Amino acid sequence: GEDVEQSLFLSVREGDSSVINCTYTDSSSTYLYWYKQEPGAGLQLLTYIFSNMDMKQDQRLTVLLNKKDKHLSLRIADTQTGDSAIYFCAESPHSGYSTLTFGKGTMLLVSP
Amino acid sequence: NAGVMQNPRHLVRRRGQEARLRCSPMKGHSHVYWYRQLPEEGLKFMVYLQKENIIDESGMPKERFSAEFPKEGPSILRIQQVVRGDSAAYFCASSPPREETQYFGPGTRLLVL
Repeated sequence: GEDVEQSLFLSVREGDSSVINCTYTDSSSTYLYWYKQEPGAGLQLLTYIFSNMDMKQDQRLTVLLNKKDKHLSLRIADTQTGDSAIYFCAESPHSGYSTLTFGKGTMLLVSP
Repeated sequence: NAGVMQNPRHLVRRRGQEARLRCSPMKGHSHVYWYRQLPEEGLKFMVYLQKENIIDESGMPKERFSAEFPKEGPSILRIQQVVRGDSAAYFCASSPPREETQYFGPGTRLLVL
């Protein structure tokens, strides 16, 4: 079955870059997503990448996809204290409709 | 365009009672998904619905749980005879037709005493 793995915790200083990593097992994944969850809140879609892409950049966010190794990463440049949250990687194996499979989330703590 | 709306945001029930969770998708979205997040876990898919149809319920527990998305009104996730293990955050997401991206609501946090 599908499985998505993430490291559980990352701590960085304000202004540094953060890199959150994710691995997945389903080779038929079509879309890969990054969601952000702040305490007590819902999930905010940050960005996504289609499986035929290697990289996607959106302002401070850079997503890298290594399809051969089934490895996805999210880089946040110039990390701010407001970036402190849980970041979920998710993959969608189907085309037509998507039932997302999520990792357990990486808690990012940004210290001043 | 208001986002996905869920209510109530918090729900407390005693064991054996019923819980009804509501989800109003974004305007123009006809696809609704329900996910459950247990403490310190990722979200787990439960059910995918379109208007008046259940498309995929492979993640739904076989008993006590049901979902509907009527022609008019919100989608409802219903949990009968709740048990403590049902305590979790339940998230609804919606997407427009022919689009993969899902947009999530704020969730309903269910606590079973």
